[in-house]
Amino acid sequence: DTGVSQDPRHKITKRGQNVTFRCDPISEHNRLYWYRQTLGQGPEFLTYFQNEAQLEKSRLLSDRFSAERPKGSFSTLEIQRTEQGDSAMYLCASSPVGDTNQPQHFGDGTRLSIL
Amino acid sequence: RKEVEQDPGPFNVPEGATVAFNCTYSNSASQSFFWYRQDCRKEPKLLMSVYSSGNEDGRFTAQLNRASQYISLLIRDSKLSDSATYLCVVKTNKLIFGTGTLLAVQP
Repeated sequence: DTGVSQDPRHKITKRGQNVTFRCDPISEHNRLYWYRQTLGQGPEFLTYFQNEAQLEKSRLLSDRFSAERPKGSFSTLEIQRTEQGDSAMYLCASSPVGDTNQPQHFGDGTRLSIL
Repeated sequence: RKEVEQDPGPFNVPEGATVAFNCTYSNSASQSFFWYRQDCRKEPKLLMSVYSSGNEDGRFTAQLNRASQYISLLIRDSKLSDSATYLCVVKTNKLIFGTGTLLAVQP
């Protein structure tokens, strides 16, 4: 399977703990995106990378959140000092650069539950 | 006002019915448009791109009206397997999603 891969699929942790998620994009895709989805809502944009450069960050991405893509391949999203409001599905997507009509392809997501 | 507005539904329709979803967007600089389908507790999956000329894929027809900033999706001859949430999506340099419209096709 050469689709977008996310790990872990599920994460349950206590409030105040740090968590880190990983995303492996489709190999030839330069752009990598992180989204967050809460119940009853569509996914909301968090941040995106073109190769290793982080080009945009949403205001939703508080200072407790940090994302990296050090070698322009996989990316990590870390949440420090988790809060109950962080409970959500975290989705990663990738797309090639260039054709704006190219859709983004999503991974299965990481479902985070904060106790 | 949300950037992409959809009626959340639910739309409860019998098998075989025709159902239409509508969506409006606020950013006139939006570059491209899509409908994604999302099953319960799963990731969104691309259903189809949307073009001003209108496009059809089997039982699904999508239409874009740039002047009115309006997007539609028509599903003909609904199947039980069409039951899902349909997300209207607008792309600038990132995807902007509507809240989704829940479709439940009844036997």
